Amino acid sequence: SQQGEEDPQALSIQEGENATMNCSYKTSINNLQWYRQNSGRGLVHLILIRSNEREKHSGRLRVTLDTSKKSSSLLITASRAADTASYFCATDPNSGNTPLVFGKGTRLSVIA
Amino acid sequence: DAGVIQSPRHEVTEMGQEVTLRCKPISGHDYLFWYRQTMMRGLELLIYFNNNVPIDDSGMPEDRFSAKMPNASFSTLKIQPSEPRDSAVYFCASSLGGITEAFFGQGTRLTVV
Repeated sequence: SQQGEEDPQALSIQEGENATMNCSYKTSINNLQWYRQNSGRGLVHLILIRSNEREKHSGRLRVTLDTSKKSSSLLITASRAADTASYFCATDPNSGNTPLVFGKGTRLSVIA
Repeated sequence: DAGVIQSPRHEVTEMGQEVTLRCKPISGHDYLFWYRQTMMRGLELLIYFNNNVPIDDSGMPEDRFSAKMPNASFSTLKIQPSEPRDSAVYFCASSLGGITEAFFGQGTRLTVV
């Protein structure tokens, strides 16, 4: 079964607005990662947050992690049309070296 | 490094034919993953290798699917015989360590008619 589930499934915003996507997972983790996928392309790593971290920033990206609620959020500030893509969270279940498990993603559309 | 390289980018084949997808991971990476992506099921892990050894193939849907990694720079995913329900985008990814950042190839879009 999939570990991470993103919410919402789809999001449409105007350029310049902020976009927030959420991810919930089921078991304890070592870290949580966010990836972006442009149409017809492979996934690209955006940011990794460890289980002992609560917040992390990278440029216009802000990720939070709440291990008590088993949830994470990805905030993209001042969105641009180029941010249009699908965004996935990926978790590594804290059971040995089990590889990443991806959710179904949030499809973000940024309208110019 | 050119990144993870997959070939072909697109494959159209008739039902019953054998299909072979290829992947060249990033040099030095010790983990290689094969994923399948469909609208219905999202991104599914099929199999992964560590140092060329298959570790977990529980995601391989049927015996029609097989994967090999004869050396650190090459892996194949084979479907024999192919069926229309195998139509999907197949991704190869590699990483240094199994739970660190994964680098994905561009994918192979497989259509079985």
